[in-house]
Amino acid sequence: DVKVTQSSRYLVKRTGEKVFLECVQDMDHENMFWYRQDPGLGLRLIYFSYDVKMKEKGDIPEGYSVSREKKERFSLILESASTNQTSMYLCASSLIGAQGLYEQYFGPGTRLTVT
Amino acid sequence: TQLLEQSPQFLSIQEGENLTVYCNSSSVFSSLQWYRQEPGEGPVLLVTVVTGGEVKKLKRLTFQFGDARKDSSLHITAAQPGDTGLYLCAGGFEGGSQGNLIFGKGTKLSVKP
Repeated sequence: DVKVTQSSRYLVKRTGEKVFLECVQDMDHENMFWYRQDPGLGLRLIYFSYDVKMKEKGDIPEGYSVSREKKERFSLILESASTNQTSMYLCASSLIGAQGLYEQYFGPGTRLTVT
Repeated sequence: TQLLEQSPQFLSIQEGENLTVYCNSSSVFSSLQWYRQEPGEGPVLLVTVVTGGEVKKLKRLTFQFGDARKDSSLHITAAQPGDTGLYLCAGGFEGGSQGNLIFGKGTKLSVKP
């Protein structure tokens, strides 16, 4: 079974703090993704990575950065947390599939509250 | 811009009822996935369909991919409280950006005992 783990299930941070969210997958997947999920807005892609040290901006990258130093680990960094970054953060991984077959496997999520 | 519209947005039914959830787009997908997400958890992959007209069954859940690969449906027979959750559809595009999926906003299902 694919296993994607996230470093924290719940996190409370103060405005202006630097926040690190860690994600690890154990299936040797090439692709890794960070999403945030908010009521009424669905899943929104923040950043993704298709190889070590490679990253691509998603739909809402502002205020975030990422790091992928090892294939199994993808980190999301909030440089200076703000209250509008309070959200559920979800990490996912997938193989580079053939013919558009891209099944993503998600971690349990981190509920981040910025006060 | 590819979009996936899911309907209904919310569904509240009694145990034992049947229901269908729809996922529609004007774009053609090379594959379509259905996920279920329970409160406070990440989405869990239920099924992937890749061929137009394909039907897959998972116990009481039946998934269908439209002939033109632009739409999909999820039918649940005799719903149970354990089916409660957010159902998400997601589409993949051949040649799409490195495995990115387009997600619908989901159908929130509540099954009351």
